[in-house]
Amino acid sequence: DQQVKQNSPSLSVQEGRISILNCDYTNSMFDYFLWYKKYPAEGPTFLISISSIKDKNEDGRFTVFLNKSAKHLSLHIVPSQPGDSAVYFCAASADSGAGSYQLTFGKGTKLSVIP
Amino acid sequence: GAVVSQHPSRVICKSGTSVKIECRSLDFQATTMFWYRQFPKQSLMLMATSNEGSKATYEQGVEKDKFLINHASLTLSTLTVTSAHPEDSSFYICSAGKRERGTNTQYFGPGTRLTVL
Repeated sequence: DQQVKQNSPSLSVQEGRISILNCDYTNSMFDYFLWYKKYPAEGPTFLISISSIKDKNEDGRFTVFLNKSAKHLSLHIVPSQPGDSAVYFCAASADSGAGSYQLTFGKGTKLSVIP
Repeated sequence: GAVVSQHPSRVICKSGTSVKIECRSLDFQATTMFWYRQFPKQSLMLMATSNEGSKATYEQGVEKDKFLINHASLTLSTLTVTSAHPEDSSFYICSAGKRERGTNTQYFGPGTRLTVL
């Protein structure tokens, strides 16, 4: 049973436009959510996170929105740049306040930003 | 942020040999580290959770005698693939857990490409 789902395996966006990557989860115990970016043959890079007590977190061109009632989060990248082309993983953590580091990952969405 | 290194970045070995991969947290101490495996075009698969000073916790289906994990210090975890076979060829990635501002984040190493001939 997949607890974190990224239903779009790929997404293509024109440079300068907004990229919206979506993620759904089923476990109501998740209280901390993260987005990672991964280039081929490299480890994932932490991008941005959000706690379940918030509904929005912004860092430069990246904004993560959390809708707890819908168990849905999204990552907005604006404006999109060719260097943003990568696989983006959504991840969730339960009991993070109690010290758990374990993450449940989605399968990833490959973003292609077209110049 | 935080920096995690892995060594080696790439290794090619003969079938039947053992390979050790090191994972180091360079600028922070990590009581918990993780080992993942990634097959081509697939998502990350958690293999095991490595806890400093105690035995690793392996995920279902991962052979603990084949994938030996040692987390002897707060900055180093090692994964040894014993008696490697071609089906063990994969991209292995480690991560280290860091607590920041009341939340826990995993920071990943750059990965190790293992090719078993």
